[in-house]
Amino acid sequence: RKEVEQDPGPFNVPEGATVAFNCTYSNSASQSFFWYRQDCRKEPKLLMSVYSSGNEDGRFTAQLNRASQYISLLIRDSKLSDSATYLCVVNMGGNQGGKLIFGQGTELSVKP
Amino acid sequence: EPEVTQTPSHQVTQMGQEVILRCVPISNHLYFYWYRQILGQKVEFLVSFYNNEISEKSEIFDDQFSVERPDGSNFTLKIRSTKLEDSAMYFCASRSRVPLNTFGSGTRLTVV
Repeated sequence: RKEVEQDPGPFNVPEGATVAFNCTYSNSASQSFFWYRQDCRKEPKLLMSVYSSGNEDGRFTAQLNRASQYISLLIRDSKLSDSATYLCVVNMGGNQGGKLIFGQGTELSVKP
Repeated sequence: EPEVTQTPSHQVTQMGQEVILRCVPISNHLYFYWYRQILGQKVEFLVSFYNNEISEKSEIFDDQFSVERPDGSNFTLKIRSTKLEDSAMYFCASRSRVPLNTFGSGTRLTVV
């Protein structure tokens, strides 16, 4: 089983659509959770952290369900500029920094 | 906004040659990382570095790889004898005690 698994994509949606990405992780000891976005051939950039209580940042809402080891990202009113690959990322924690484990990414293409 | 700086942005090297990839992390950060991304694949953890020593390394990080933080600012990744399969984007990342990583813009390594 993959450590972090995401919807394979790609997602092709019109501007203004709502789109949801799903992610599951295998290690129940995982400590913190994130969504990153990655534009073509660029570095990953932090989009938002994900908390058990759910959190929202503008048009973006993230949810975490620790019991089912499931993470989601909802994008409302999608814009052309949202086109990118969305990476589900898990931090294993630990006293010495903790490595990030990345999913393979879900590509989003928003069309006019 | 503070940045992680990587040089060079692109390096072409012959198989069997040594390469050194350079990174300048954010100045007050404590934890340093190298990740790589082979074209079309997910971002993979290579090594973490804290308190002037390696804290964790992946299976990829074999005897051909080494890291150094020689002067308190630069953080380097050395590949002793490059192989074709080392061709990838290499990302440096750093963070403070808060587990939010900042990534550099990457070095594209092409081994020919």
